[in-house]
Formats: sequence, structure tokens, C-alpha cells
Amino acid sequence: QVQLQESGPGLVKPSGTLSLTCTVSGGSIDNSFWCSWLRQTPGKGLEWIGEIYLTGNTNYNPSLKSRVTISMDKSKNQFSLKFNSVTAADTAVYYCATSFFYAIQDWGQGTLVTVSS
Amino acid sequence: EIVLTQSPGTLSLSPGERATLSCRASQSVDSTYLAWYQQKPGQSPRVLIYGASSRATGIPDRFSGSWSGTDFTLTISRLEPEDFAVYYCQHYLTSPPGYTFGQGTKVEI
Repeated sequence: QVQLQESGPGLVKPSGTLSLTCTVSGGSIDNSFWCSWLRQTPGKGLEWIGEIYLTGNTNYNPSLKSRVTISMDKSKNQFSLKFNSVTAADTAVYYCATSFFYAIQDWGQGTLVTVSS
Repeated sequence: EIVLTQSPGTLSLSPGERATLSCRASQSVDSTYLAWYQQKPGQSPRVLIYGASSRATGIPDRFSGSWSGTDFTLTISRLEPEDFAVYYCQHYLTSPPGYTFGQGTKVEI
């Protein structure tokens, strides 16, 4: 079990880019799990954004894929999310997490990102 | 796309009672890819069950998962005060890879 902490701006302007970083502690990013990003809103509930593996392989939610990039910096034990062309509909609590055996095992505490001018 | 429909939306029970939560998949799914989560206000979700019936580390044995066909069930045998929360089911699709969640069931006093 590892600990995860999201960091990044809490306010992003419409049409801008949302950028978040997840720092993993209590263990190293390794080949035993995938690193995921998810978000949660009162209206749409929990939504998976995408994931990255140690090798750099990524999978994305097809409905968001055109606007999302997930990357990893193994040396810093971090992985990151970039979300382009954001609108108010992207306002949400964003979580980083690890997934193992087809379930989201460890979650960060979540960070609220508001899209507003 | 597989849609997970949870019922009921809200379950009103008392401590000590049994809770039965349902999650129905829109098509046949492999139970290997079905998980359940608990979320309390202001907290992140916590995995309870994976593989439809395997308890995650540290989860009390009053939580159990089962399934029949496309119907998955989370049972809390005797509700403790700390069990009042929102519960989500989740499915992992292998092709294309990705996770989908049900809309949640709130268990309230």
C-alpha cells in the first residue's frame, strides 16, 4: 500500500490546460500496479480518466482521450495529468490512484479543480 | 459500453441490520472485473471487494460480495455506525481497457 498526494492549481481558466501531479510515497512506482487518474462530480459521479504503467503504456477513457495526456517521472516517483481545452464541465474533484487486479486500490485525498474565468 | 445500474438509490436502515446492495450490468461481464467501494463524506473511495467476492486488505468480514449472471450484490451482514456511507460498484473492461462505475447507493440511518 502506498500513499498518494495530488498537487496543482485549484483554478483553471476556460479553454486552458489543467495540470496535476501525483506524488507516490511509502513505496516506489513499480511493475505491480498501474497509476490512474479519476474525477468525481455530483452530476456524473465517478469517472475514470486514464492510466499509465511503468513501461509508459497508457490507456485513456475514449470520451476524454482527445484532451488528455498522462505521463510518468519514475525518478521522482510521480505521475501527471494534462487536460486540454477545459470547460466548466471539467470542474471536479480529481484523484490519483493505483490500480491492481482490476480495481482501484489506493487513492489520493483528491483535489478540487474549478474551471472558471 | 457496459452500464452498471445500482439499486436502490438510498437504503435507510438501522445499526445491526443487514444491508443488501445491488449492481446490475447491462450485459454479461466476467466477475473477475467487478469491484465495490465505500465512500464517506469528504473522503476518497475505499475498495472493499474485488473480483466480485474477494475482500480487500483490512476489510471486515461483515462485508461480502456475490453474483448471479449480470447481478452483483454487496451484503453488509450487520451494519455498524461507521458503515453508513455511499457504495459504488465498478467494472473493468479489457478491450478497450477502462473502468466504469455505477451511480452509487447511499446507506443512511
